[in-house]
Amino acid sequence: AQKVTQAQTEISVVEKEDVTLDCVYETRDTTYYLFWYKQPPSGELVFLIRRNSFDEQNEISGRYSWNFQKSTSSFNFTITASQVVDSAVYFCALSERGRNQGGKLIFGQGTELSVKP
Amino acid sequence: EAQVTQNPRYLITVTGKKLTVTCSQNMNHEYMSWYRQDPGLGLRQIYYSMNVEVTDKGDVPEGYKVSRKEKRNFPLILESPSPNQTSLYFCASSTGSGYEQYFGPGTRLTVT
Repeated sequence: AQKVTQAQTEISVVEKEDVTLDCVYETRDTTYYLFWYKQPPSGELVFLIRRNSFDEQNEISGRYSWNFQKSTSSFNFTITASQVVDSAVYFCALSERGRNQGGKLIFGQGTELSVKP
Repeated sequence: EAQVTQNPRYLITVTGKKLTVTCSQNMNHEYMSWYRQDPGLGLRQIYYSMNVEVTDKGDVPEGYKVSRKEKRNFPLILESPSPNQTSLYFCASSTGSGYEQYFGPGTRLTVT
């Protein structure tokens, strides 16, 4: 069965701290795609990154970095030197090639990150 | 600006009064979906469309209808809304399976 687990419901840090958001997924497909989305207090869903199952290269974008490890079925997200504007709910999501459903995203429950000044 | 738009953004209605939430994208995307977001249940797919006149049920389709007569538009229809359809609704579009989905700003619906 396909599933995404974000075990951390809430995280609170002080500005400039580094923080890692964990994501563990389950799928039987050999071809799948992983995503991270940000939902700020205003409510919209903002796309951050996409990874396919054949590309285990880690990625860095400014203060954001992602660590994809197929061996542990994890796709973790690290924010370096966090800022108050990073406060949001972050969702990890999975899309399976086999069970298409229009590219359905299977979302984790989300991690609410609070960055205090 | 590439975007997905939804209207209305907020709606309070009464049980049984038919309503339509519109969704439009200007990115020429073939795939479109509707999701609902509920506390404790997360985001779940309601319906999806892979092209004009091609629609299918997602995971929670009961009480909803959709249509895709034009590529850019994908309205969500609630023929007889009930209180359990009170939720935050998102429309999304993408170029295809496995690609990132771009979401609209959301529609907060309250059914009393």
